[in-house]
Amino acid sequence: GQQVMQIPQYQHVQEGEDFTTYCNSSTTLSNIQWYKQRPGGHPVFLIQLVKSGEVKKQKRLTFQFGEAKKNSSLHITATQTTDVGTYFCAGLNNDMRFGAGTRLTVKP
Amino acid sequence: NAGVMQNPRHLVRRRGQEARLRCSPMKGHSHVYWYRQLPEEGLKFMVYLQKENIIDESGMPKERFSAEFPKEGPSILRIQQVVRGDSAAYFCASSPPGHGSPLHFGNGTRLTVT
Repeated sequence: GQQVMQIPQYQHVQEGEDFTTYCNSSTTLSNIQWYKQRPGGHPVFLIQLVKSGEVKKQKRLTFQFGEAKKNSSLHITATQTTDVGTYFCAGLNNDMRFGAGTRLTVKP
Repeated sequence: NAGVMQNPRHLVRRRGQEARLRCSPMKGHSHVYWYRQLPEEGLKFMVYLQKENIIDESGMPKERFSAEFPKEGPSILRIQQVVRGDSAAYFCASSPPGHGSPLHFGNGTRLTVT
């Protein structure tokens, strides 16, 4: 079945450093979505990528969808303490499957 | 416009009891997903439903677990004869018609089995 792998599992950075999480699927995806879950909270939708090679930006966040539509990345420039949380990718094929998430902690 | 409503927020059950988790999707949403999350872990897909239909239940354990989304009323995730290993956060998400629409999550139900 469809599998979505996400790395790294954990990332600890100093405030101001950059952060990247990577998502890989075993199958070609129709689209990929990114979510953020704050500690103790629920996942919140960030963005959706549909086209091969698509790049989207939200302020300090940059999202990319690979040419083969099997991988994606989320890059945060100059992290802030408010970026703390777990970032999940979710790939759509027949249904929506989530990666295990990357847990980001930011040291002030 | 109310978001996805899940209740109860916290549920404590003794081993062997039944747990019923409810999810009311956002207005206009006809697709419901249930996910399970263990502490410090990711979201594990359980089941995908549309009104009166189970579309994909490949993530549901074969025994003790069932889900429904009736024509009227909330979606229900039912766990019979709970065991300690069922303790987890259960999140419901809904989306509008259209395969692949973004998911809107509820606050989750945190089930503790004692």
